[in-house]
Amino acid sequence: DTGVSQNPRHKITKRGQNVTFRCDPISEHNRLYWYRQTLGQGPEFLTYFQNEAQLEKSRLLSDRFSAERPKGSFSTLEIQRTEQGDSAMYLCASSSEGSLAGYSGETQYFGPGTRLLVL
Amino acid sequence: AQSVTQLDSQVPVFEEAPVELRCNYSSSVSVYLFWYVQYPNQGLQLLLKYLSGSTLVESINGFEAEFNKSQTSFHLRKPSVHISDTAEYFCAVTEAGGTSYDKVIFGPGTSLSVIP
Repeated sequence: DTGVSQNPRHKITKRGQNVTFRCDPISEHNRLYWYRQTLGQGPEFLTYFQNEAQLEKSRLLSDRFSAERPKGSFSTLEIQRTEQGDSAMYLCASSSEGSLAGYSGETQYFGPGTRLLVL
Repeated sequence: AQSVTQLDSQVPVFEEAPVELRCNYSSSVSVYLFWYVQYPNQGLQLLLKYLSGSTLVESINGFEAEFNKSQTSFHLRKPSVHISDTAEYFCAVTEAGGTSYDKVIFGPGTSLSVIP
């Protein structure tokens, strides 16, 4: 297993266009996360999947954003009607479920990210 | 809710000198603490983490961090840095033992530049 992969690595689009990013997690990981990172900042949580269920969405995720994980494996993040403020690095991470008693500090493994530039 | 402060946005240091990257957190509940590193043009990698037990945790490449509950700090240290340590370092926190997902809150990062 080569880790978490993301495609494309770079995307340049014009304002108003729709874009879709893909994340392939580590195969045995059932938890998947999306983050957004802007220049000079740490990653900010966007959303989380446990298998195919989207269990949490940040308020950062406006109605123009939608994420799916249809079969509990890869995930897609779509941004509709892109705005210049959407320009950022979009990171995907995955982890195993860990202890049945709750979160036990399982390590999140990050992909290389997709850098989006909206002109 | 948790938050993380990294007061130093940039830390230049000469090769083989010691370094400390500061991290303070805020939380009303018990926490788990992490340091992630992002090398140029690479993804985030976990450097080390504190979950419980010994307050001093170490990484395989010579970094260590100490959890100080009274000072709500988790500073990262290395006694002698190498050129290859040049990277962005992120401190992160999450609620300990939560029954929901692993929402990790990241600090803004500290850029470590090692000078030959």
